[in-house]
Amino acid sequence: EAGVTQFPSHSVIEKGQTVTLRCDPISGHDNLYWYRRVMGKEIKFLLHFVKESKQDESGMPNNRFLAERTGGTYSTLKVQPAELEDSGVYFCASSYTDRSVGPLHFGNGTRLTVT
Amino acid sequence: DAKTTQPNSMESNEEEPVHLPCNHSTISGTDYIHWYRQLPSQGPEYVIHGLTSNVNNRMASLAIAEDRKSSTLILHRATLRDAAVYYCILRAYLSGSARQLTFGSGTQLTVLP
Repeated sequence: EAGVTQFPSHSVIEKGQTVTLRCDPISGHDNLYWYRRVMGKEIKFLLHFVKESKQDESGMPNNRFLAERTGGTYSTLKVQPAELEDSGVYFCASSYTDRSVGPLHFGNGTRLTVT
Repeated sequence: DAKTTQPNSMESNEEEPVHLPCNHSTISGTDYIHWYRQLPSQGPEYVIHGLTSNVNNRMASLAIAEDRKSSTLILHRATLRDAAVYYCILRAYLSGSARQLTFGSGTQLTVLP
């Protein structure tokens, strides 16, 4: 089966611009998660979708970040306007269910650089 | 979230067993012990998880202390491809739902040829 795919793999934008990251989860996985690692820090949770609903968005840093999952398939994470501190690697993960503690499957991330 | 403590780094020789320790003295009864690893330029990869009993899979073994306050990930024969950052994570299971993963700083494993 195809794994979790993220697009683009790299993005370089200027401060104040908008960037949209996309994540395609494994087919049939209802749960989709966004994480990020900013420079020198640990990987941090951003939010969790169950199908198209936001189950937990406690990790979203501020209202410049907007995540959507229309139709419960792929998800987008928009940063508008981007700030320098948003630079880092954004990971997406999916799992079949959150009714058990099975594994999360991660993509290889999108490296975002804000200049 | 309950916290885990791991050594910052460890070294192993190729084809020898590796024991990666993790302390989690504040673990609660609803916390599962998960291990993930991250190879360079890749996303985290699931390795193994357990609750109370020792677990084995094709990648590794997980030994859990009787009081659950510590655990050890065992790679039976390290290869150069096992060089990665290994994360020990407590994942809560509450009200019929598994919660998100909380990553720490992990252990950087270096495998020497």
